[in-house]
Amino acid sequence: KNQVEQSPQSLIILEGKNCTLQCNYTVSPFSNLRWYKQDTGRGPVSLTIMTFSENTKSNGRYTATLDADTKQSSLHITASQLSDSASYICVVSARGGSQGNLIFGKGTKLSVKP
Amino acid sequence: SAVISQKPSRDICQRGTSLTIQCQVDSQVTMMFWYRQQPGQSLTLIATANQGSEATYESGFVIDKFPISRPNLTFSTLTVSNMSPEDSSIYLCSVALAGAYNEQFFGPGTRLTVL
Repeated sequence: KNQVEQSPQSLIILEGKNCTLQCNYTVSPFSNLRWYKQDTGRGPVSLTIMTFSENTKSNGRYTATLDADTKQSSLHITASQLSDSASYICVVSARGGSQGNLIFGKGTKLSVKP
Repeated sequence: SAVISQKPSRDICQRGTSLTIQCQVDSQVTMMFWYRQQPGQSLTLIATANQGSEATYESGFVIDKFPISRPNLTFSTLTVSNMSPEDSSIYLCSVALAGAYNEQFFGPGTRLTVL
């Protein structure tokens, strides 16, 4: 069964600190992996998209890694800011499926405190 | 990218009534979807809104409960019919742009509370 699991479920850090969010997936055949940021009361916004051949991709202070062999991904946030408080959702797309064939993780809720 | 707006942004409804949610995109897109996000849960695909034909529903979702219209390539509506408190969720519209990743963009969502 295609699944995406994220950890931790929630995380509290102090402003300025770094943190790493984890994503494990069992999706086959794999097409790409996406990280989204969802602010409270808003729709998800894409941070990064990685295919099988990409093992790291950055977007400002966000750096995502992908290990397709172990089926793991991480999202590293550097020098956190209060505005980073949000849910971060890992989404895996299966190759060959419909365009809506995205498997969503439940997200990690990050709270950045001053 | 695509800019998506939804109306209403939130609503509180009585059980047994229906609510229609509108989704407007700033450009013509082929692929448009409706998702539900229940409290504390991940997004679940309800259906793919097809222009000019009936929507394609995922397992567990039926047209009688969630009728969808897609009159053109920039607009769609989702109706939540005969609502019950279990329908309280955030409903999100999304579009996928053709390309290497078929990247999906999401609307801001409609927060529905059913009393």
